[in-house]
Amino acid sequence: SQQGEEDPQALSIQEGENATMNCSYKTSINNLQWYRQNSGRGLVHLILIRSNEREKHSGRLRVTLDTSKKSSSLLITASRAADTASYFCAPHSGGGADGLTFGKGTHLIIQP
Amino acid sequence: NAGVTQTPKFQVLKTGQSMTLQCAQDMNHEYMSWYRQDPGMGLRLIHYSVGAGITDQGEVPNGYNVSRSTTEDFPLRLLSAAPSQTSVYFCASSYHPNYEQYFGPGTRLTVT
Repeated sequence: SQQGEEDPQALSIQEGENATMNCSYKTSINNLQWYRQNSGRGLVHLILIRSNEREKHSGRLRVTLDTSKKSSSLLITASRAADTASYFCAPHSGGGADGLTFGKGTHLIIQP
Repeated sequence: NAGVTQTPKFQVLKTGQSMTLQCAQDMNHEYMSWYRQDPGMGLRLIHYSVGAGITDQGEVPNGYNVSRSTTEDFPLRLLSAAPSQTSVYFCASSYHPNYEQYFGPGTRLTVT
């Protein structure tokens, strides 16, 4: 498996605004997953996008994937205080059994 | 359906002591893994298992042992605790290592 690199490392926005965070990776992938971690909690799976997909939606979340640029973005629309968390991407190349590798994440703070 | 459970939630050990972190899942997942998370860093894979009786090393296996005698349980043993093992430990399970991982709530371990 390979590690994704999230950008920015930290992001602070006002409640109601949209938040965008990006993920870059190095080698071709089978799929890419996004996870959220609230303070002191375990990671929660948000969305999985396959390499042959360009965009995927889930509620207020929109994920895009550009395999030519080896990058993905996560957009959270109409942010809420409960969205305050760290967000991690996990690109998976497939084949191996060693699961997912996680980078340092983007720490998102939603200001009331 | 409890998902992935971990015990204890908190633990303080003295250098040289041994202990076992427990992890159990009730989703009949074949794949289970252990990660550690340190401040300012992503999650690092310690050990993983693709089924009962099968385990393998991840990125940072030194100082840790695992076994998988049942599908449900995947305990992590610290053989002789060191201050460098102070961390938050997360267990995860999945029906397949490439796809959605379900994380437990974590065990916060301090070694003095």
